[in-house]
Order: sequence, then structure tokens, then C-alpha cells
Amino acid sequence: ETGVTQSPTHLIKTRGQQVTLRCSSQSGHNTVSWYQQALGQGPQFIFQYYREEENGRGNFPPRFSGLQFPNYSSELNVNALELDDSALYLCASSAQQGGAAGANVLTFGAGSRLTVL
Amino acid sequence: GESVGLHLPTLSVQEGDNSIINCAYSNSASDYFIWYKQESGKGPQFIIDIRSNMDKRQGQRVTVLLNKTVKHLSLQIAATQPGDSAVYFCATPGAGRRALTFGSGTRLQVQP
Repeated sequence: ETGVTQSPTHLIKTRGQQVTLRCSSQSGHNTVSWYQQALGQGPQFIFQYYREEENGRGNFPPRFSGLQFPNYSSELNVNALELDDSALYLCASSAQQGGAAGANVLTFGAGSRLTVL
Repeated sequence: GESVGLHLPTLSVQEGDNSIINCAYSNSASDYFIWYKQESGKGPQFIIDIRSNMDKRQGQRVTVLLNKTVKHLSLQIAATQPGDSAVYFCATPGAGRRALTFGSGTRLQVQP
């Protein structure tokens, strides 16, 4: 059983650029969530994808967008990067447990560390 | 809305001692709590969870206590080892149960 894998592990961008981060979910998991973790802080929920559709969103602007593919992998896209977007971006997968996709047992990847200069 | 907070940003303990990490939450309707461990360079890793119909739950060397009256939970680690050095987060599902709300974390440092 493979865990959650993310790529790239590190990247550096400049203000105004766009970035795409990728995530492969754990085998058997059909729901993917993305979190932003600033240095010294806890993760903050960006959004969740289930059945290839956004299934919940945190307090992040529209320039944060995502995709989920039929194989349950996912992408996080951030446009018009700002300095404050510098953070560790965590992907987490989970298995739907009946009804609405739950937020209970998440398996996290190691994250993609984004630095915006 | 939900919020969780931790009492201390850093906890330093001697190897072999017991560690207690505390967490307070604000929403009395919160019914599920999870502790995560995050080692340097890694994502958060599930440790143990507890539902609000329980006061205590034990795992391997870890125990979580839940006090709903004062909206407080704690993570106890027995015989703390160097490998326990990490940042520990408590978390609880938010409205709609799509997201987890995390606290800011407590860094546990284990001194040899």
C-alpha cells in the first residue's frame, strides 16, 4: 500500500507567477484535501475534492484552484503568487465514509515547500 | 466557528519521563478530536483520536483525555523517547466535516 506522494518537494517562484503542485492519493482513498501550513503554524484547509469536484473550501481566494482526476490524484494551482503564499502545501487523502466525504482520518503527504520571492 | 489552541508552544522533557501536551477548544458541539505528530520534513501523522462520548482512550504509549466540561483535551506520552521529538497538533472537524481545524502546535523536545 503506497502512501500519499507529492511533487515537487521544493520550489521557488517569484511574485506574480503561477504554480502547480501535484498529489497522488493513498491506494483506496477517493477524497483529496489540500492544506497550507505557514512556518510555525498548524495546517489551514484550502479545499477538498471528491468525485472530481470541489467539495468544500476554506478561506482562500479564487486564485487557489484545484483539480481531481479519475484516478483520484489531484493538483493545486495558485495564480498571481504573493509573498505570503510561501508555505508548505500539504495534500491529504481519505476514504469517503458514507454520505458527505468526511474529514476524519486523513493521510498526509510530506508536502511541497513553496518559496515566493 | 471552531478553534483549537495549545497551552505551550514548546515542551522540553527528559528521556524516559512522561509528557503531557494540552489543547483547548472553543466549540462545545465538537464531537471528534484527533492528535497528529509532525516530524521535521514530514507531513502530519495520525496518532490517536477520541470521540466525545468517551473521556479517555489509550494507544501504544499514548493516552488522550477529554474533558468536555472545560473543553480541554490532553495527549499523554509515556516513557518519552527521542523519536517522540516532533510538533504535536490537536485537530477537530469543522462545520460540514470537510476540513480539520488544527491548533498551532506544541513542539516536544526530548533531552537525552
